[in-house]
Amino acid sequence: AQKITQTQPGMFVQEKEAVTLDCTYDTSDPSYGLFWYKQPSSGEMIFLIYQGSYDQQNATEGRYSLNFQKARKSANLVISASQLGDSAMYFCAMSPRGIQGAQKLVFGQGTRLTINP
Amino acid sequence: ETGVTQTPRHLVMGMTNKKSLKCEQHLGHNAMYWYKQSAKKPLELMFVYNFKEQTENNSVPSRFSPECPNSSHLFLHLHTLQPEDSALYLCASSLVTGGADTQYFGPGTRLTVL
Repeated sequence: AQKITQTQPGMFVQEKEAVTLDCTYDTSDPSYGLFWYKQPSSGEMIFLIYQGSYDQQNATEGRYSLNFQKARKSANLVISASQLGDSAMYFCAMSPRGIQGAQKLVFGQGTRLTINP
Repeated sequence: ETGVTQTPRHLVMGMTNKKSLKCEQHLGHNAMYWYKQSAKKPLELMFVYNFKEQTENNSVPSRFSPECPNSSHLFLHLHTLQPEDSALYLCASSLVTGGADTQYFGPGTRLTVL
């Protein structure tokens, strides 16, 4: 079974500062993918970034980067130069790779990020 | 329309009503999903459809009945719901590649059961 743990229920950060959102995971799958999603108050789940378990480099996507430490089973999201529009819930999720058919995404509890002006 | 759309965005229904939620994806994907998001709970996967075939039913009560007529459309038929079924219902789609496929979500339907 897969499990995602996000230990920060809420975070408050000043605008323009960098922020790190923590995510640890547990899985017995040999190959897997890790995802981060953003959910504004409107409700839509917006895909941000993906990291494959065998990828040699940490994923980056604009202001988002994923600090992947496989031995520690952590996949922290780093947002550089935070903006007011970054205020939202952030979810870490994972799914197995190399399995036939559609795969389940397992989500963490989420972290509510608030950016202060 | 682009991406994944869901209608209605908001729904209020009584426990004896019958209603349906609709999801449509315009991404050329071949898998679709229903999730339930209750307050203070992680997203719960309800159903998975792969090439129109249901491949996952996560012990969902029979008062929720999914339908997937083709790979672009997904419905969730609701009947005799309970107040605890009030939640945000999210639809997602993905392209099955054999890797860890990214799921793209719609805006959700916020359901209130009175």
